[in-house]
Amino acid sequence: ETVMTQSPGSLSVSPGERATLSCRATQSLKANLAWYQQKPGQAPRLLIFGASTRATGIPARFSGSGSGTDFTLTISSLQSEDCAVYFCQQYNHWPPTFGQGTKVEIK
Amino acid sequence: EVLLLESGGGLAQPGGSLRLSCAVSGFTFDNYVIAWVRQAPGEGLEWVSSISGSGVGTYYADSLQGRFTISRDNSNNAVYLQMNRLRADDAGVYYCAKGVEMGTVFNAFDSWGLGTMVTVSS
Repeated sequence: ETVMTQSPGSLSVSPGERATLSCRATQSLKANLAWYQQKPGQAPRLLIFGASTRATGIPARFSGSGSGTDFTLTISSLQSEDCAVYFCQQYNHWPPTFGQGTKVEIK
Repeated sequence: EVLLLESGGGLAQPGGSLRLSCAVSGFTFDNYVIAWVRQAPGEGLEWVSSISGSGVGTYYADSLQGRFTISRDNSNNAVYLQMNRLRADDAGVYYCAKGVEMGTVFNAFDSWGLGTMVTVSS
């Protein structure tokens, strides 16, 4: 199966600063990569699919980029409500697989 | 508004069974794949099973070793996960989720239920 590796494991960013999260796959995904945000006690929320398409209602400060094996989620100006764990998921190969998550905290 | 609501979780003994249900509304049900994704306490997300919009295609994680069965009732807008021979490592929150794109099982998931907790213990 395709293994997804996220880095860093955790990230501490000052309010208003940029947060950059990475996700790497063990084989090419083309652009079939999604990003999710999960807050404690809540279900995951889709942020990005197709590597760079924002899901409905997602603020413009969230952007995705990359193709092939290397992908990035950027939060351009971190807000307090962005504190969460972020997961990537590939859906180019069967079975669908998730990264282990990156925890984003406010500095 | 798209809604998914899981039910049926609870405490089961090792080797026991549970049947999870996912009731959905707010979209054309038989156009979209529905998946079950689980999360062990303090852990990440693990895809468990998917069923195509028609119900003809069913897919399972290898780790399940044939113990789970997914099904759907398109007349009642519901998806089910029958879980047999439960093990301690099956414990966690089980979410049902809807595919973002019509007509394919290769999908991201744009709507999720709140989840239902499964505990496996004697």
